[in-house]
Amino acid sequence: QVQLQESGPGLVKPSQTLSLICTVSGGSVSSGTYYWSWNRQRPGKGLEWIGYIFYSGSTNYNPSLNGRVTISVDKSKNQFSLKLSSVTAADTAVYYCATSTSAPNWFDPWGQGTLVTVSS
Amino acid sequence: QSALTQPASVSGSPGQSITISCTETRSDVGGYNFVSWYQQYPGKAPKLMIYDVSNRPAGVSNRFSGSKSGNTASLTISGLQAEDEADYYCSSYTSSKILFGGGTKLTVL
Repeated sequence: QVQLQESGPGLVKPSQTLSLICTVSGGSVSSGTYYWSWNRQRPGKGLEWIGYIFYSGSTNYNPSLNGRVTISVDKSKNQFSLKLSSVTAADTAVYYCATSTSAPNWFDPWGQGTLVTVSS
Repeated sequence: QSALTQPASVSGSPGQSITISCTETRSDVGGYNFVSWYQQYPGKAPKLMIYDVSNRPAGVSNRFSGSKSGNTASLTISGLQAEDEADYYCSSYTSSKILFGGGTKLTVL
């Protein structure tokens, strides 16, 4: 049973880069079975897909984030990460890592989520 | 640009059935069958309830069912219980992109 746990700074200054890590247990980021994803939820709002990475390194990002997203995998630590550059207050959200098997058409399970606030 | 539209809120009494709709604005969505549904309690992570339109993951109650007709997918909860009160989100996977609906707040009266 795969379990996910997000970690990273809870406060980021405007124009800086938001960096989060998702630690995977019960599964391997090197497995050809899984897609590793990031989603977010602004306070009081709905869910938003950020992007995903496959074990091969291929990625797919939400075009609405205008090229600010990078998702990568660290096989040695069994982790995957999110970097979101040039953040503004609009990027304040709870960030969730999630996974899916075989195809990225659903997410199960999700991490518990971590709140990142963008503020000076 | 496509979008998924859900009602902001629905309500029902214990024991009743309710249906939450999820309509995609693109006319070609009817050919896709990658619709999923998530339940989210306040302050908690979403939980997968239905995938690929009508499939239930292991452990999800059979009171939850999904269907799709044309551009509209639906989540039906039968035998409504107090514990079903939560937010529900639909999601679609189309052309390698993932969309979420705006969410529906279910109130159990």
